[in-house]
Amino acid sequence: SQQGEEDPQALSIQEGENATMNCSYKTSINNLQWYRQNSGRGLVHLILIRSNEREKHSGRLRVTLDTSKKSSSLLITASRAADTASYFCATDNDMRFGAGTRLTVKP
Amino acid sequence: EADIYQTPRYLVIGTGKKITLECSQTMGHDKMYWYQQDPGMELHLIHYSYGVNSTEKGDLSSESTVSRIRTEHFPLTLESARPSHTSQYLCASSEFWVNYGYTFGSGTRLTVV
Repeated sequence: SQQGEEDPQALSIQEGENATMNCSYKTSINNLQWYRQNSGRGLVHLILIRSNEREKHSGRLRVTLDTSKKSSSLLITASRAADTASYFCATDNDMRFGAGTRLTVKP
Repeated sequence: EADIYQTPRYLVIGTGKKITLECSQTMGHDKMYWYQQDPGMELHLIHYSYGVNSTEKGDLSSESTVSRIRTEHFPLTLESARPSHTSQYLCASSEFWVNYGYTFGSGTRLTVV
């Protein structure tokens, strides 16, 4: 099975709200990445956090990493309808991806 | 501009046909990957390569084959397409140590009728 598993499977929020999704992994990593996939398209790299980092920001995205718990979270602030997509996490030591979190942002 | 290209974007073919899905990257990445994904579902790893002349089977038995004769090119071939092969196929690449993550193509949506 894959290293990274996202939770929840689906998330529905109103525009303007924050969206938080989580990722758990099994073994030690050098980095963890988050990706976005719009329906019927490929995955787009959003942000990468290295094992010696605890938090990283990119625009409205905030990623945290807790290596002691082998978990990461992705926070999207002030969500927009255009953020509707599936979000995946992956690690540097496993080329497998899970089913992602399907985020729906309602206008 | 560094990128990864997949062709065709959409393909409808008849059962029993042989097809090749093309994937090329301009980043000089060592590793390349093929995934199969049904709508709303997880990505299944079907083949990967560590570099030229390296090919490995992934987790899903897709009855397909790949080749890696050049660093930039990683085509996927289905010798005899079946309706069960109907899916989206995603190609990706990365540096050998995955220091910067994976770069994905836009995918090929295959329909076998």
